[in-house]
Amino acid sequence: GAGVSQTPSNKVTEKGKYVELRCDPISGHTALYWYRQSLGQGPEFLIYFQGTGAADDSGLPNDRFFAVRPEGSVSTLKIQRTERGDSAVYLCASSLGMGGRMETQYFGPGTRLLVL
Amino acid sequence: AQSVAQPEDQVNVAEGNPLTVKCTYSVSGNPYLFWYVQYPNRGLQFLLKYITGDNLVKGSYGFEAEFNKSQTSFHLKKPSALVSDSALYFCAVRLYSGGGADGLTFGKGTHLIIQP
Repeated sequence: GAGVSQTPSNKVTEKGKYVELRCDPISGHTALYWYRQSLGQGPEFLIYFQGTGAADDSGLPNDRFFAVRPEGSVSTLKIQRTERGDSAVYLCASSLGMGGRMETQYFGPGTRLLVL
Repeated sequence: AQSVAQPEDQVNVAEGNPLTVKCTYSVSGNPYLFWYVQYPNRGLQFLLKYITGDNLVKGSYGFEAEFNKSQTSFHLKKPSALVSDSALYFCAVRLYSGGGADGLTFGKGTHLIIQP
């Protein structure tokens, strides 16, 4: 079946602009995660959704970052007033959502964001 | 707090030889441990995980990993390396329960290079 998909695959924007990144999880997966991967680093956790609600947003770096999942499927990560330091690959993952913390997370290909 | 260390930025192995990619972790509780592989311009692919029980875990593509609680390690191994195993490997940890973020905590990654 289809895996996690993310759009766009690449996004170039200017400092100060607003961007939206989209994630479409594996069908039937109720848990969804966003991560950010900077060059030469491992992914860093941003936010976790169980269904429509953000169960854990402790990884969001500041209030310029916000994510929604209004119908419990597709999620959008929103970044306001982008800064050059926001340049990274943004990864989305999903899991079944039934098995707690032992569940395997399946990752999408990522969106490469470049802020000029 | 939880953390993962991958002490080697790069590991070089001749094709056909056994390989080991090292990972140590630090958590205040019982861990779930994961290995993922990342190929260029692609998302993370799940290899294997340790939940409980047998300390030797077998995963995809002939990889295995050994959980050692006393040494807080979870090294990735393969008896005979293939050139196609060349990629970036990430170790990750998640707390069994209690405090800590709900996302995975990743190491910085290890480049595995298999030489023909």
